[in-house]
Amino acid sequence: AQSVSQHNHHVILSEAASLELGCNYSYGGTVNLFWYVQYPGQHLQLLLKYFSGDPLVKGIKGFEAEFIKSKFSFNLRKPSVQWSDTAEYFCAVNEGGNNRKLIWGLGTSLAVNP
Amino acid sequence: DADVTQTPRNRITKTGKRIMLECSQTKGHDRMYWYRQDPGLGLRLIYYSFDVKDINKGEISDGYSVSRQAQAKFSLSLESAIPNQTALYFCATSDRGTAGLGEQFFGPGTRLTVL
Repeated sequence: AQSVSQHNHHVILSEAASLELGCNYSYGGTVNLFWYVQYPGQHLQLLLKYFSGDPLVKGIKGFEAEFIKSKFSFNLRKPSVQWSDTAEYFCAVNEGGNNRKLIWGLGTSLAVNP
Repeated sequence: DADVTQTPRNRITKTGKRIMLECSQTKGHDRMYWYRQDPGLGLRLIYYSFDVKDINKGEISDGYSVSRQAQAKFSLSLESAIPNQTALYFCATSDRGTAGLGEQFFGPGTRLTVL
């Protein structure tokens, strides 16, 4: 079965530190890739997505992610985190073609200390 | 943004009770999903529906049933609630028109506690 792995389950950073959250998937064909964010007490919101084209995608709030096909990876980055980035982050993959479900990682909980 | 709404937002019930969680959407999407979220387990798909006549089991459908009453409405039922169904439940929608790319839009969630 296809799977999505998020390597960091819990991350604690100080404000202004740089962030990189890992995401790897197992599907070898065409994929569509997503990062969602869930702020405390809220629902999931799309942070950014990759469908095709430039493998470096930019999302909201200064986040970006890079799709590296050879590594089956879609890591999320932010050069300088803020306290308001404290949230849970989920990576998800949709296999290209007719597949219509998202395969989800288990999530990474990020705590940013002021 | 209230495109996907869920009712109730919070519910406390007792073991053995029948519970229905409702989801409505105004996004015009044909695809709807029910997930549960538990700490450390991420999102797990319970049921999904690609149109009114198409309903499919997800990875954890045991103990749950669904009804797609209309394109805009998708209800989740727990026929006889048990404590390990205590969780946060999310409804989501997606649009077939985006060529199956799969971006999903989430409701605010229902926090269910089964005593």
